[in-house]
Formats: sequence, C-alpha cells, structure tokens
Amino acid sequence: GAGVSQSPSNKVTEKGKDVELRCDPISGHTALYWYRQSLGQGLEFLIYFQGNSAPDKSGLPSDRFSAERTGGSVSTLTIQRTQQEDSAVYLCASSFSGAQPQHFGDGTRLSIL
Amino acid sequence: AQTVTQSQPEMSVQEAETVTLSCTYDTSESDYYLFWYKQPPSRQMILVIRQEAYKQQNATENRFSVNFQKAAKSFSLKISDSQLGDAAMYFCAYDYSGGSNYKLTFGKGTLLTVNP
Repeated sequence: GAGVSQSPSNKVTEKGKDVELRCDPISGHTALYWYRQSLGQGLEFLIYFQGNSAPDKSGLPSDRFSAERTGGSVSTLTIQRTQQEDSAVYLCASSFSGAQPQHFGDGTRLSIL
Repeated sequence: AQTVTQSQPEMSVQEAETVTLSCTYDTSESDYYLFWYKQPPSRQMILVIRQEAYKQQNATENRFSVNFQKAAKSFSLKISDSQLGDAAMYFCAYDYSGGSNYKLTFGKGTLLTVNP
C-alpha cells in the first residue's frame, strides 16, 4: 500500500517568506508526527497529533511554526517569516496508534536563501 | 530528559562481514521501546528493528539483531553478512511507552559504509 507522502520534495525560498509543507499519512493511521533533521541539531521532534486529541506542540522551536491536521488525515506544517536556521529536512511519520512503530515519508528539504 | 548516544559517527565493514553499531541511552523509566532506523540517501527513515524493554529476549530480523542490556542501558545493532545495500545512516531511537506522546528521541547517527 501507499506509504507516507510528503510534498514538496524540495523547497527553496527567500528569508522572510512563509512556507507550507504537506504530509499525507498512511490510510488508517491515527497518529502523525513531524520531525526536523538538521546538521547541527540532528533529528528533533516538532509536533504530534493523535486522533481528535489536542496536539502535543512541545517541540515547536518558536511561534513562527504551526501545524494542523484536517479531518484526522492530511497535515500541514507552516513556517512563517522563515529564517536561515530553518533550513533542514522536515520529516513526517505516521503510525496506526501511538504505541505502534512510526513509518516515515521521504521528507521535504527546505532551503532558505 | 531522555538522551540517546551513538558514539561512532562512522563505521565501515567489508561485504559479507559482521559489524556492530553501538547505542547507549539514559532514562529513569522502566518500560519503553528502542528502535534502530536506517536512512539511505533517499532520506526515508526505514525501521530496521524494535525492542520492547520488558522483553529480555533480544529482537532479531533476518540479518539484523540487537544486544539489549537494560541494566547498562545499552542497545547495540549487529548486522551479519553485510551487503552493499546496508550502506546508510543508522539511528538509534527511544520511545517512552508509558506517556501519552510516543515521540521518538534519536541519537546523532552512525554512517555505515560497506566496502565491496
């Protein structure tokens, strides 16, 4: 079956612009995660959605970052007023439930000029 | 806070040989999960193996096996009969199973090179 799908695969934008990254989880998976992978910080948790519960936003680095999940399926990660330190690969993962192994997408490579 | 440490930034192995990747972690919890993920240049994180902390038996998946030492908080990955396709970045990860958020805490990774 289809895996986790992320778009775009690569995104280049100018400093100060807003960007939206999309994640389409595996059908039937109730849990969805966003992580950021950068050279300096490694892999960092950003946000977690589980069903209709309030998301865990404890990993978001600043208020410029936000995410939503519509209809319990597709999720969008939005970064406002991008900065150069936001350059990273943004990975999305989903799992059948919170206790099940996470399946990752191919990520979006974000480059801020 | 939980931490995961991979002390080997890079490792290399000859094709068909065996290699062991090290991982240690720090936690005050007794029930948790440990994982090894593989990330080839395609960027996709692929689950290699998973270990539940309450299980004493070491997990195995074909050529991949772990040595889980709970008291020592050690979780190493052994790859037997290494193949060229095993070349990738390998990440050790921890997940606390008793909370409401199953976020993964990752180590910095070990880059594995397989020489023909």
